[in-house]
Amino acid sequence: DQQVKQNSPSLSVQEGRISILNCDYTNSMFDYFLWYKKYPAEGPTFLISISSIKDKNEDGRFTVFLNKSAKHLSLHIVPSQPGDSAVYFCAASRMDSNYQLIWGAGTKLIIKP
Amino acid sequence: GAGVSQTPSNKVTEKGKYVELRCDPISGHTALYWYRQSLGQGPEFLIYFQGTGAADDSGLPNDRFFAVRPEGSVSTLKIQRTERGDSAVYLCASSLTRTGSDYGYTFGSGTRLTVV
Repeated sequence: DQQVKQNSPSLSVQEGRISILNCDYTNSMFDYFLWYKKYPAEGPTFLISISSIKDKNEDGRFTVFLNKSAKHLSLHIVPSQPGDSAVYFCAASRMDSNYQLIWGAGTKLIIKP
Repeated sequence: GAGVSQTPSNKVTEKGKYVELRCDPISGHTALYWYRQSLGQGPEFLIYFQGTGAADDSGLPNDRFFAVRPEGSVSTLKIQRTERGDSAVYLCASSLTRTGSDYGYTFGSGTRLTVV
């Protein structure tokens, strides 16, 4: 039973345009959400997070939106750059076990020059 | 070191053999985590250490898997009687704290285990 789902295995976006990566979750006990970026042969790198008490968090070119009623979050990257090409993972944690992350399967983002 | 170091980076072993995977966390990080990532999936939690003790080992799939962190720094993940289904990338991460607002997890590059 996948509690965190990333339904798009891959996404191709033109350089300079907006990239939107989506993530859905099923467990209403999740209260913290994170996005990680992963390059081949490297470990995941933390990108941005959002607490369930917020609906938006912004950090430079990266913005995460949370819609709790829909149990949906999205990561917006604008403008997209070639270095953004990587696999992006959505992850979530519960308040009662906040060290343990539940991960989606990832979306491979390809930025076309 | 500056980051989390995992050795070996690749390990090929025969079915039924015993393997050890090592993780060197960032100096001073008290929390250490092991995750396993199978092909086409996200990482799955295995075990969490706070200091020397395993605070939560609920993710270990069965009793063939065991992990230690005897001095609160380096950790070793041990797999007995390996099976082909154990093939995956084993990721280690460390952090200063375990609070929900501080996900300063730093991951190592992982050990790719292949059981043939």
